[in-house]
Amino acid sequence: EAGVVQSPRYKIIEKKQPVAFWCNPISGHNTLYWYRQNLGQGPELLIRYENEEAVDDSQLPKDRFSAERLKGVDSTLKIQPAELGDSAVYLCASSLGAAGGNEQFFGPGTRLTVL
Amino acid sequence: AQSVAQPEDQVNVAEGNPLTVKCTYSVSGNPYLFWYVQYPNRGLQFLLKYITGDNLVKGSYGFEAEFNKSQTSFHLKKPSALVSDSALYFCAVRDPDTNAGKSTFGDGTTLTVKP
Repeated sequence: EAGVVQSPRYKIIEKKQPVAFWCNPISGHNTLYWYRQNLGQGPELLIRYENEEAVDDSQLPKDRFSAERLKGVDSTLKIQPAELGDSAVYLCASSLGAAGGNEQFFGPGTRLTVL
Repeated sequence: AQSVAQPEDQVNVAEGNPLTVKCTYSVSGNPYLFWYVQYPNRGLQFLLKYITGDNLVKGSYGFEAEFNKSQTSFHLKKPSALVSDSALYFCAVRDPDTNAGKSTFGDGTTLTVKP
């Protein structure tokens, strides 16, 4: 069974440029998460989807970040414009459901460097 | 609000010795608790979880963890460490009563097992 797929794996951009990350969750997982992981820290939730609905986006900086999961399967996270402080690893995860004790399955992440 | 603490940034053990990676948590109700491991340039990988029932839970690769409600702890243990266990370990907590789908992660503990 394929795991969570993310692309690209690495991205280097100049500040003020746009960037987009793509995630394809495990088949059948209706819950999808985007996390940001700064160096030396644990993942911090940016947004959580239940199917195509964003049910928790309280930590998403909405002035520059946007996300979509149009058909309730794959998802895209966008930053426009990027700032130096956005340099981090962006992780996508999926699970069978957010409620209950379901564990999350993580992709390998996209390492973003903003110059 | 839910929170989790991993008091040790780094744990060093000799191969063959027992290891413990500490985790304490804070939630208003009964917690769901998880351990994940992260290898370099890879996403987090689920190890084990406590939802309910027996306080001692067993997981992948010979790891186990003990839920201690009175001490609000969920320490990760292994009787005999392997060099291949060297990685970054994250504890996570979820409060099913107030934050059904949101997990809070600790900042991680780097485990180094020396031959």
